[in-house]
Amino acid sequence: GAVVSQHPSWVICKSGTSVKIECRSLDFQATTMFWYRQFPKQSLMLMATSNEGSKATYEQGVEKDKFLINHASLTLSTLTVTSAHPEDSSFYICSARADRGEELFFGSGTQLSVL
Amino acid sequence: AQSVTQLDSQVPVFEEAPVELRCNYSSSVSVYLFWYVQYPNQGLQLLLKYLSGSTLVKGINGFEAEFNKSQTSFHLRKPSVHISDTAEYFCAVTRYSSASKIIFGSGTRLSIRP
Repeated sequence: GAVVSQHPSWVICKSGTSVKIECRSLDFQATTMFWYRQFPKQSLMLMATSNEGSKATYEQGVEKDKFLINHASLTLSTLTVTSAHPEDSSFYICSARADRGEELFFGSGTQLSVL
Repeated sequence: AQSVTQLDSQVPVFEEAPVELRCNYSSSVSVYLFWYVQYPNQGLQLLLKYLSGSTLVKGINGFEAEFNKSQTSFHLRKPSVHISDTAEYFCAVTRYSSASKIIFGSGTRLSIRP
């Protein structure tokens, strides 16, 4: 099956710093990528839809200026958590859909801990 | 808009017993349906999907699901579970469009007892 690589798998940072998370589709081109946030023992909450070459579409309640998404190529999308605070600590998961595909392929997730 | 309801937040089952994880969806248009599994601290892995055709769908690890349009359900089943099946299971739905987002249910934690 298709592979989505997400890095880093975990990161610890100080409050006020920015953290970048990368999501790459390794063996297919992904016009659309999705970023999810997951709290412990809860479902995935869609944060934004990332489209190659255009601005991301954010879900209601998600701060665009805090969660910067860039989809510069058909195989790479990045999520930058700017000026991170402890409440941003969470598990972030990216996913990608191949062109003309139905299912999503998921990265392994990034556990962010903000001290 | 689409929505997904997973009726059971937790399902405890003894090893080698059968299991059914329930999922109901709502949508005014035709949809694709999925079941994903998540092991601790990992991303999601596709178990199976229903796109069209036969309503009984077989997936990996011995799981299967049946699409029932009249009851708007897509329940996941396995005739005999193993300890390794302990995980979180998510039902998901999306519209017929490559740009459509996938909506996930709240998840069901399957715990297998020896």
